[in-house]
Amino acid sequence: EAGVTQFPSHSVIEKGQTVTLRCDPISGHDNLYWYRRVMGKEIKFLLHFVKESKQDESGMPNNRFLAERTGGTYSTLKVQPAELEDSGVYFCASSQAPRTSTSTDTQYFGPGTRLTVL
Amino acid sequence: GDSVTQMEGPVTLSEEAFLTINCTYTATGYPSLFWYVQYPGEGLQLLLKATKADDKGSNKGFEATYRKETTSFHLEKGSVQVSDSAVYFCALVNTGGFKTIFGAGTRLFVKA
Repeated sequence: EAGVTQFPSHSVIEKGQTVTLRCDPISGHDNLYWYRRVMGKEIKFLLHFVKESKQDESGMPNNRFLAERTGGTYSTLKVQPAELEDSGVYFCASSQAPRTSTSTDTQYFGPGTRLTVL
Repeated sequence: GDSVTQMEGPVTLSEEAFLTINCTYTATGYPSLFWYVQYPGEGLQLLLKATKADDKGSNKGFEATYRKETTSFHLEKGSVQVSDSAVYFCALVNTGGFKTIFGAGTRLFVKA
């Protein structure tokens, strides 16, 4: 079974440009998450999709970030325009079942996209 | 809010040394606890997990025990190898929640 895949693995852009990151979750996983690790700090939650719906986007840093999940399959995260502080590693994760009040399922992470904004 | 604190690195050990990476957490409710590992050039991999107090997670010779009384989930391995060199992240997900809360990561270097 294929794992979570992300594209590109590395992107170098200049300040003010636009970048789109893509994540393909594990087939059949309804939950899809985006996280970011900036400057060697902790990995922080950005947002959560259940199928094509945004369940929680409280971690999105500002309106320069736009996430979509077409048809509940792959997801894209667009940064427009990119700023220097957006540099970091963007991780995508997926999990199988919606969380319930008594359960916690396991998230599977992709390899990440390293974004460098010059 | 929920948080995870883990020991700062880097940690440098010789091969076959004993490893401990400390992790403590703050959370309401009854979180599940995880250790993830990121090898050089690769993504995050789940190393082990524990879902309730006194559970022990184990994998590849690594172990961690969920200690509710000390709110800790320390990672241990009896004899590290060069191939264990990586960044290790302690993390939690609270019951019924979906956000994974991560610690800052601890980089481990193992020298031959």
